[in-house]
Amino acid sequence: EVQLLESGGGLVQPGGSLRLSCAASGFTFRSYAMSWVRQAPREGLEWVSTISGSGGSTYYADSVKGRFTISRDNSKNTLYLQMNSLRAEDRAVYYCAKAGDTYGNYGHDYWGQGTLVTVSS
Amino acid sequence: EIVMTQSPATLSVSPGERATLSCRASQSVGSNLAWYQQKPGQAPRLLIYGASTRATGIPATFSGSGSGTEFTLTISSLQSEDFSVYYCQQYNDWPLTFGGGTKVEIK
Repeated sequence: EVQLLESGGGLVQPGGSLRLSCAASGFTFRSYAMSWVRQAPREGLEWVSTISGSGGSTYYADSVKGRFTISRDNSKNTLYLQMNSLRAEDRAVYYCAKAGDTYGNYGHDYWGQGTLVTVSS
Repeated sequence: EIVMTQSPATLSVSPGERATLSCRASQSVGSNLAWYQQKPGQAPRLLIYGASTRATGIPATFSGSGSGTEFTLTISSLQSEDFSVYYCQQYNDWPLTFGGGTKVEIK
């Protein structure tokens, strides 16, 4: 059974940093691209970032480029999102999601339960 | 950036009736389109990828069609559990983009 378990969310002040983690199990982690997708309260889904299965390719939304860094440790089956210079508009539930192949195609077939990030002073 | 536009924003349908949701891309995405269902307080669930291929475990009451810039998700006979928000997403090019969603509510 595929499982994705996010952690690391919480309350942080504007300008602060947070690192999210996503522990994956039930599939060959290194064979699939992984993404972070966020959802602000009462809003739609917003793609944040994707990393290829090997970790060699990364992609970012313009809204987070230069502030967020996606990475993965295939030996630990874990995905990360380092978030720096956080802003109020980064407040959202952050979902970890598995892509359909190693490049990020075919949509996202499994999602974690989400972790809430709140940016406030 | 490819902009995905979903219509209508809200669709009121009676149980047992058919629902037709639309998604339009600002430029061609080929067949590189997915549909998701999201219920309140839950993560999204993949329904359709490749514009028309049902994901694992998705019932045949859900069907997707279209290519290029115009796509449709059809729910043939709405059950109570189908009243949700539905999103389309293109994966033809970076950045990946989602539509704004269509809420299917009980009429």
